[in-house]
Amino acid sequence: NAGVIQTPRHKVTGKGQEATLWCEPISGHSAVFWYRQTIVQGLEFLTYFRNQAPIDDSGMPKERFSAQMPNQSHSTLKIQSTQPQDSAVYLCASSLDWGGVDTQYFGPGTRLLVL
Amino acid sequence: AQSVTQPDARVTVSEGASLQLRCKYSYSATPYLFWYVQYPRQGLQLLLKYYSGDPVVQGVNSFEAEFSKSNSSFHLQKASVHWSDSAVYFCALSPGGNKLTFGIGTRVLVRP
Repeated sequence: NAGVIQTPRHKVTGKGQEATLWCEPISGHSAVFWYRQTIVQGLEFLTYFRNQAPIDDSGMPKERFSAQMPNQSHSTLKIQSTQPQDSAVYLCASSLDWGGVDTQYFGPGTRLLVL
Repeated sequence: AQSVTQPDARVTVSEGASLQLRCKYSYSATPYLFWYVQYPRQGLQLLLKYYSGDPVVQGVNSFEAEFSKSNSSFHLQKASVHWSDSAVYFCALSPGGNKLTFGIGTRVLVRP
């Protein structure tokens, strides 16, 4: 089992460009989560899918950020018109989501730097 | 709204000494509680979790945590640390077992 796979591991974009981050959950896991990690804000929840359906996007910035899960094997987080304050490590996690005390397994993250 | 407070940003201990990391939470009921560890340039790894039952929970690498409802706390402990325990430790809660709310983290440095 390769664990949660995130690509790319590092991404540098210019201000105003688009960034797309990819996440491949662990096979058989039905829930996918996205978090953002910064020095100032720490770890923040962004959004959550269950069986590919969006369940909770309460942490997503209202503008420029979007997430999708077109199939059970991958999810994407897209940031349009990136700004320097979007620089962060974006973490993806997956879980079985069977309704109990699920363990979320985290990927290594994508470090985004917006210049 | 829920929150997690880790009052110690940094803790330095000598190898072989004991370690306690403090975590206090705010939530109207008993949430799911977790401790995660993050090694340099790696993702988060679960150390242990709690929802109900015995308030002392055993985790990986000889870590354990004790839940206290009266104190709204979930402190992490290890009897004897190794240099490889140097990492950042995060306490987290989840009201319903899904999205996590994290504390700011405690960076642990183990001196040889």
